Amino acid sequence: DSGVTQTPKHLITATGQRVTLRCSPRSGDLSVYWYQQSLDQGLQFLIQYYNGEERAKGNILERFSAQQFPDLHSELNLSSLELGDSALYFCASSFRGPGNEQFFGPGTRLTVL
Amino acid sequence: GQQLNQSPQSMFIQEGEDVSMNCTSSSIFNTWLWYKQEPGEGPVLLIALYKAGELTSNGRLTAQFGITRKDSFLNISASIPSDVGIYFCAGSRGGAGNMLTFGGGTRLMVKP
Repeated sequence: DSGVTQTPKHLITATGQRVTLRCSPRSGDLSVYWYQQSLDQGLQFLIQYYNGEERAKGNILERFSAQQFPDLHSELNLSSLELGDSALYFCASSFRGPGNEQFFGPGTRLTVL
Repeated sequence: GQQLNQSPQSMFIQEGEDVSMNCTSSSIFNTWLWYKQEPGEGPVLLIALYKAGELTSNGRLTAQFGITRKDSFLNISASIPSDVGIYFCAGSRGGAGNMLTFGGGTRLMVKP
């Protein structure tokens, strides 16, 4: 158990819908990272928050957004869902700064029908 | 897309054999990490490397940070059935973001 929790474990929805994925980092970790894992693209970095502020953006679609709350949990919002958004979405956390290890949660499997 | 080339893509070995996999990049990374992922779970950190040339062990696992900073390898000695899974290398350039760039993974299968 990495100490990072994610809910829900599975999510099935229809195209055009909006969903919210939730992540709670390890106790004391200030950084939260979101990654998408798909069969064709592998593990891809989406976005990072550090202590409530956006720190870095990767290959995140404009239909996707995230935020980190004062209690440091984070939510990833996916809207206008398309079939191609079906994937595993992972949250990872780390304590601070460059060089620190990232610990991954169990992931949310999103299926868009 | 991915920037790290990981090989081999898959390996099917006999229990007790040693395993070697590697990861190469066209650009420099300041940190190399190795993760293992099992079905239905998130990646689990195995080894972290922070200095060029660094050689680090974790039980039967040994990993090295290449001196050019563009590559890393992972060795598993005396493999056992529970080593089955997908192994990923990941690199970080540090700085404000510290996001990870992942390799495509090596799927390891062990025959008892």
